[in-house]
Amino acid sequence: AQSVTQLDSHVSVSEGTPVLLRCNYSSSYSPSLFWYVQHPNKGLQLLLKYTSAATLVKGINGFEAEFKKSETSFHLTKPSAHMSDAAEYFCVVSSYSGGGADGLTFGKGTHLIIQP
Amino acid sequence: EAGVTQFPSHSVIEKGQTVTLRCDPISGHDNLYWYRRVMGKEIKFLLHFVKESKQDESGMPNNRFLAERTGGTYSTLKVQPAELEDSGVYFCASSQVGKPNTEAFFGQGTRLTVV
Repeated sequence: AQSVTQLDSHVSVSEGTPVLLRCNYSSSYSPSLFWYVQHPNKGLQLLLKYTSAATLVKGINGFEAEFKKSETSFHLTKPSAHMSDAAEYFCVVSSYSGGGADGLTFGKGTHLIIQP
Repeated sequence: EAGVTQFPSHSVIEKGQTVTLRCDPISGHDNLYWYRRVMGKEIKFLLHFVKESKQDESGMPNNRFLAERTGGTYSTLKVQPAELEDSGVYFCASSQVGKPNTEAFFGQGTRLTVV
């Protein structure tokens, strides 16, 4: 069994300040972990993924996430928020290494609000 | 190259009516998935096609939901008859078969409202 907990339903930061979106996971297997973003009226877009290579994963638009097995965490960070980062972010775990959308378990999502 | 496209983007129907959602995957993607997000809850898996075959339909909530993928191209998801609890956003995703860790591409979703 696997599960994902996104610790904050909403996060509000000022433009230019750091972003931290928290995610904890539970998995019986060596997991693959992902962060997806959904902007209004858009599809889910893959930001980054961890698949047992480097524990610090860099994604698109300046985002990165660190896989910490001891803490079962995969928090998403960005050094400086931009207005265009306002969106909903989903932490996702999969126990299937084959990729695709097999066996994806989604968190409830975190709305990121950027204050001017 | 076109991404995953879903039709319609929004649908409002009355309880008891039938609705059909359509998903056009990226050309050449044999994997096609349906996911659903009910209001206030997580996005959850419904089913998975490989070409025209149902690989896994363990997430389908009940027999009011019927998914098809004739010819292995586009897919439809029919809800008949629709109930209030079927309201939510239905996502489709596609990916290539046979590539480890390949990315899945999601459509923008169809927002279904049953009144």
